[in-house]
Amino acid sequence: SQQGEEDPQALSIQEGENATMNCSYKTSINNLQWYRQNSGRGLVHLILIRSNEREKHSGRLRVTLDTSKKSSSLLIMASRAADTASYFCATHGRGANSKLTFGKGITLSVRP
Amino acid sequence: GAGVSQTPSNKVTEKGKYVELRCDPISGHTALYWYRQSLGQGPEFLIYFQGTGAADDSGLPNDRFFAVRPEGSVSTLKIQRTERGDSAVYLCASSLSTGGGNEQFFGPGTRLTVL
Repeated sequence: SQQGEEDPQALSIQEGENATMNCSYKTSINNLQWYRQNSGRGLVHLILIRSNEREKHSGRLRVTLDTSKKSSSLLIMASRAADTASYFCATHGRGANSKLTFGKGITLSVRP
Repeated sequence: GAGVSQTPSNKVTEKGKYVELRCDPISGHTALYWYRQSLGQGPEFLIYFQGTGAADDSGLPNDRFFAVRPEGSVSTLKIQRTERGDSAVYLCASSLSTGGGNEQFFGPGTRLTVL
C-alpha cells in the first residue's frame, strides 16, 4: 500500500518559475524523503527531512515538514527544463524497519 | 565510484517461465532493498536484506517471489511461474546500513515484461 499522496498529480510551468509539490501521509514517520525519476527508471535522492525538522534547503530546493498535518512540500526555485521529471515523496516509518513507502508521484513539466 | 547496477536492463519472458533479476549494490553497503514499480505508480517495497539475511520480506506478493543474498553483496530476485501481472520495473537500492537516516541509492531498474 502507498502511504504518501502527492498533489498535484501533474504540474506544468514555464522555465524560471517556482514549482511547489505537496505530499500527505498517514502514519508517524522517522523522516520523509523526496526523489526524482527520469523516464520511469532509476530514482535520484534529492533531500531528506527528519521528523524533528521543519524546513531544509539544498541548492534550489526547499522542503518543509508539518508533522501535525502529516504533510510536506517540495519547492523547486527558478525551475529549468532539466527539472522535467517525476517526483516522489517517500516516508520512513518509526521503528527498526528501513523500508521506504512511496507516493504515486507528481509529473513536472518545465517548458523552455 | 560505481553505483548500484542491475541486470538485465530489460527482460521479456512468457507467462509461466522462471526469471532471475540481479542487483549489484554499492561496495560496502550492508543493506539492500528490492522495490517494484508499475506504470504510473510509485515504487512498492518487496524485501530488504541486512547482510545475508532477509530482515523484512513482507512486501513479497506471494510465494512465487523469492530473493537471496548469499554472500551479503549481490542479490538475486527470483520469480517462478511468471504472470502478466508481474510486468513492472524492478528496482534495487542499497544503503550503508539499515536505519532511517541512511539514504538509499537506487539502480536503473530491470523492466520485466511477461507476455
